[in-house]
Amino acid sequence: QKEVEQDPGPLSVPEGAIVSLNCTYSNSAFQYFMWYRQYSRKGPELLMYTYSSGNKEDGRFTAQVDKSSKYISLFIRDSQPSDSATYLCAMSAYYGQNFVFGPGTRLSVLP
Amino acid sequence: DGGITQSPKYLFRKEGQNVTLSCEQNLNHDAMYWYRQDPGQGLRLIYYSQIVNDFQKGDIAEGYSVSREKKESFPLTVTSAQKNPTAFYLCASNGGGADTQYFGPGTRLTVL
Repeated sequence: QKEVEQDPGPLSVPEGAIVSLNCTYSNSAFQYFMWYRQYSRKGPELLMYTYSSGNKEDGRFTAQVDKSSKYISLFIRDSQPSDSATYLCAMSAYYGQNFVFGPGTRLSVLP
Repeated sequence: DGGITQSPKYLFRKEGQNVTLSCEQNLNHDAMYWYRQDPGQGLRLIYYSQIVNDFQKGDIAEGYSVSREKKESFPLTVTSAQKNPTAFYLCASNGGGADTQYFGPGTRLTVL
C-alpha cells in the first residue's frame, strides 16, 4: 500500500460544478497537510495548508482533514476552466520533516 | 520579485553525459529540495539540504549529486550513472516559519 493515495482521474466536470478531490493516507502520524495545483509543464503552486484536523476555507477552496479516517479533501466551488490542472496532496508528520506527495488527480473543467 | 528560479527550462543530454540543473531562490529559505516527477507518479525526493554545506539523500539519490555552497543555490547534477534520467525535475524551498514548500517552474530533461 502506498503511503498516500489519490485517484489519478482524469476527472471532468462542467463549469460551475462543485469539485471534490481526495487523498487517503496510511501514516496516522501525519498532521501537516497541503494541497498544490500544478498546471501542465509548470511547478506546483501551494493552494491550501492545514494543520491537524478541521476545515479551512480560502475563497472558492475548502480543505478538510479527517484524521480519524486518514482522509483529506479539497473542495472547489463554482469551478472554472482555469481550475483545470493536476491537484497534488502532500503531508508530513512533524515540522521540518520531508513531505510525502500523492500522485495527483487531473481535473478538467469544461466550459 | 521573490521566488525560485530553475534553469534551463528544457535540457537535452546524450547518454553518458553529466548535466547540471540550476536552482536559485531569493526567499531567504534555509531548506531546499530536489524532486523528480514522472507521469502518473508523485514527486519523489532526490536530495535535500536543511542548511548551507550540508545535504542528505532522499528516496532516489542514486545517480545524482548536489552541492550547497550558498544559501541561495542548490544545483543538481544528473550523472551518467542515472539509468533513466528523462523526467521533469522540480526544485523547492521552505522556511520563514511555515512548514510549506514553494516550487520552482521545473526543468524537463530528455536523454537522447
